[in-house]
Amino acid sequence: GAGVSQSPSNKVTEKGKDVELRCDPISGHTALYWYRQRLGQGLEFLIYFQGNSAPDKSGLPSDRFSAERTGESVSTLTIQRTQQEDSAVYLCASSLVLGATDTQYFGPGTRLTVL
Amino acid sequence: AQTVTQSQPEMSVQEAETVTLSCTYDTSESNYYLFWYKQPPSRQMILVIRQEAYKQQNATENRFSVNFQKAAKSFSLKISDSQLGDTAMYFCALRSGSEKLVFGKGTKLTVNP
Repeated sequence: GAGVSQSPSNKVTEKGKDVELRCDPISGHTALYWYRQRLGQGLEFLIYFQGNSAPDKSGLPSDRFSAERTGESVSTLTIQRTQQEDSAVYLCASSLVLGATDTQYFGPGTRLTVL
Repeated sequence: AQTVTQSQPEMSVQEAETVTLSCTYDTSESNYYLFWYKQPPSRQMILVIRQEAYKQQNATENRFSVNFQKAAKSFSLKISDSQLGDTAMYFCALRSGSEKLVFGKGTKLTVNP
C-alpha cells in the first residue's frame, strides 16, 4: 500500500475486556515496530518484528500484551484484560529492512480509551 | 542507557520567521542516527530530517536544517520561513545499536499568522 495503515482508528473499551489492534505495513517492508504514546508524552517502544519473528519482547509493559505478525505483512497487538493505564495511542511503523540506517514510516495510530 | 531530552514543551513563532527547537541526547554508542519527526493533529508521525553521527555536515531539507554538535550531544532543528502548516508536535529521536527509536517528550510548535 501507499503507507502504513492501522485499524481501528479509535477504540473505546471497558476495563477488563480484550482488544486487538491491527497494523498493515508498507508493502515489501520486512521490519515492523509497535510504539505506545501516552497523553503528552513521547513514544515508548514496545516490540519489533524482523519478518514474522520478534526477537526481543522485553519492551512489552506486561504479560497482558502480546503481538504477532503473519505472512511478513499484517501485525496485531493484543491487550488482554485492559486497564485504564493502557489508554494511549498505539503507533505502528515499518521499514524496508531492519537496521539503524533505515527510516521508519509510521501509521496514524489507534487511540485506545479504557473506561 | 539512551536518553533524549527536549527542554522546550511549547514554542511559538510568527509566520515567515525562523525558529529553533532544542534537543540533547545521550548514548555510549559511537555510531548512531538522529531524527526529527513531526506529528500534526492527524497523529501521523512524519520524518522531517535525519542525521548520521559519522557525518560532520549538518543535514538540510528545504526549510529545515539541523545544528549537530556531536561533542555537546546536541541536535537542534531550525525551521526557516515558518508556515502555518508547520504547526505540530516535533519529536527528536535517537537510534543506536538497537532497532528501536528513543524519543524525547516533544515540543509543541505553534505558527501564528
